[in-house]
Amino acid sequence: AQKITQTQPGMFVQEKEAVTLDCTYDTSDPSYGLFWYKQPSSGEMIFLIYQGSYDQQNATEGRYSLNFQKARKSANLVISASQLGDSAMYFCAMRDRLTGGGNKLTFGTGTQLKVEL
Amino acid sequence: ETGVTQTPRHLVMGMTNKKSLKCEQHLGHNAMYWYKQSAKKPLELMFVYNFKEQTENNSVPSRFSPECPNSSHLFLHLHTLQPEDSALYLCASSQDSYSPTDTQYFGPGTRLTVL
Repeated sequence: AQKITQTQPGMFVQEKEAVTLDCTYDTSDPSYGLFWYKQPSSGEMIFLIYQGSYDQQNATEGRYSLNFQKARKSANLVISASQLGDSAMYFCAMRDRLTGGGNKLTFGTGTQLKVEL
Repeated sequence: ETGVTQTPRHLVMGMTNKKSLKCEQHLGHNAMYWYKQSAKKPLELMFVYNFKEQTENNSVPSRFSPECPNSSHLFLHLHTLQPEDSALYLCASSQDSYSPTDTQYFGPGTRLTVL
């Protein structure tokens, strides 16, 4: 079974600093996808960034970048120039195949990020 | 309206009530999902629909009954729920559940409290 591990239940960062949120995964499937989502206190799960297992370069989306280290099975999210609005829960997820075909997402337990002045 | 919408945003119901959650996506997607998010637990997939057909039921109790009349709408009918069913219920949609690069987009969720 596929598994996602986020070992940091909570993180603090100063405004304008960069922060790295850790994610490790375990899978025997050579083809997989990794996602990061942000969940503010309002509840909505907001898609941030995607990395495919065969992608040669690390994914970037604005202030978000994914530090993908395939051999170590890690997919850490880096947020640069943190803003107060970045305070939220962050989830790492892996695309998982369903027995009946198709995909689902397997989520980690999340990291609560707090950005301070 | 854009993206994925869910109504109601908050719902309080007794164990003998019957209620329904509604999800609508305005993204032209073909797959829709129900997830349950309980306190201090990872998100759990409940149901998957592809082109209106249910393709996954993740051992969900029968007191939860999904309905997908078309690719844009998804319902979750609730009846005789238990207090442990209190959670945030999230709907998601994606272009094609079978695609290796498929990305799911979520709605704001319905926060359900069962008394």
